[in-house]
Amino acid sequence: GAGVSQSPSNKVTEKGKDVELRCDPISGHTALYWYRQSLGQGLEFLIYFQGNSAPDKSGLPSDRFSAERTGGSVSTLTIQRTQQEDSAVYLCASSSGQGGEQFFGPGTRLTVL
Amino acid sequence: AQTVTQSQPEMSVQEAETVTLSCTYDTSESDYYLFWYKQPPSRQMILVIRQEAYKQQNATENRFSVNFQKAAKSFSLKISDSQLGDAAMYFCAYRRHNTDKLIFGTGTRLQVFP
Repeated sequence: GAGVSQSPSNKVTEKGKDVELRCDPISGHTALYWYRQSLGQGLEFLIYFQGNSAPDKSGLPSDRFSAERTGGSVSTLTIQRTQQEDSAVYLCASSSGQGGEQFFGPGTRLTVL
Repeated sequence: AQTVTQSQPEMSVQEAETVTLSCTYDTSESDYYLFWYKQPPSRQMILVIRQEAYKQQNATENRFSVNFQKAAKSFSLKISDSQLGDAAMYFCAYRRHNTDKLIFGTGTRLQVFP
């Protein structure tokens, strides 16, 4: 596809379960970003990938959060032992390189019951 | 640390009228970028306009323009000839030069009435 895609669109899980969120960036984009948008809040930066490496993971809120990127393309954000405060929309963006315009996907809405 | 503040949680405007959304930011940097993003109900963030801090001229994109006041650390968005399709959440964002992390404000919900 032409844009950034994310799956699933919505995810409902029970407290304590692990979840995986997927991001497919625009083809050829080397930079990939994850943000979290809690209800009524702006977007909060989580992690940035350049290629397969993550030079900035300063926004990950706890060690329950991890992310990886393989083949310089698809990225997976994993949340272990989910808590209710993890409920939010998780947005992914990609860009053609450092400083380039970030193009966003439609997000995954995560609800932890 | 850099912060972005949007003090208007909600704004409304009549179709064809003009509305201005406010944004202030705090930084000690001199080289940075500022952005306005639109988020419709589809959740997908769309870049509306971008301003480089070193440029004195205010950015303009069709009906959208900014009033960038560097000394006052203010970056407002003016939407002229408002259309129903402009209804959305609008987020102001900051990015320091040579970094990629965007720092967002909490957003302003814009309603457009016919």
